[in-house]
Amino acid sequence: GQQLNQSPQSMFIQEGEDVSMNCTSSSIFNTWLWYKQDPGEGPVLLIALYKAGELTSNGRLTAQFGITRKDSFLNISASIPSDVGIYFCAGRGQGGSEKLVFGKGTKLTVNP
Amino acid sequence: GAVVSQHPSRVICKSGTSVKIECRSLDFQATTMFWYRQFPKQSLMLMATSNEGSKATYEQGVEKDKFLINHASLTLSTLTVTSAHPEDSSFYICSVGGGAHEETQYFGPGTRLLVL
Repeated sequence: GQQLNQSPQSMFIQEGEDVSMNCTSSSIFNTWLWYKQDPGEGPVLLIALYKAGELTSNGRLTAQFGITRKDSFLNISASIPSDVGIYFCAGRGQGGSEKLVFGKGTKLTVNP
Repeated sequence: GAVVSQHPSRVICKSGTSVKIECRSLDFQATTMFWYRQFPKQSLMLMATSNEGSKATYEQGVEKDKFLINHASLTLSTLTVTSAHPEDSSFYICSVGGGAHEETQYFGPGTRLLVL
């Protein structure tokens, strides 16, 4: 089945630094979604991407849908302590299925 | 995006009992809801797709007789863990598709199940 490779697995950064994480797939995806999950809570949608090459921002967050449709990245600029959490990428492949495939997550730690 | 609630947020039960978890779409009529399970430090694993008015579609390896799903209305889906055992202890999360883009899923806050 389809799989997403998300990296890095974890990141330890200083407050104010920029962060970048990405997801790649061996197959084409039609939709890329980025979520943030805090401990004990459900994932919260950060950015949704629907077209190849699309670049979308949400405050300090920027994500892009790769032109090959097999990858996506998420950047966080000027990180703050509340950015701490686990970030998941998710994608929907071809074929009309509504199911999402999830990456394994990137755990972000921000040191004040 | 869609607003999703789950109840209860946390439940502790004895082994052998059944537990029902509710997922409600508060501002969107969801013909399709999804149920996920998440073990500690792992990603979300899709268990089943809940279709309003019809039988749920289960993922490979998920026992449909153990995890009963009912999607009786456009705003409510329930997951019942029957004869729960300690290995069923997990974080159960539902999601709905919604908004202008049906491809997006919005998640509930999750239900923490602990089976003793």
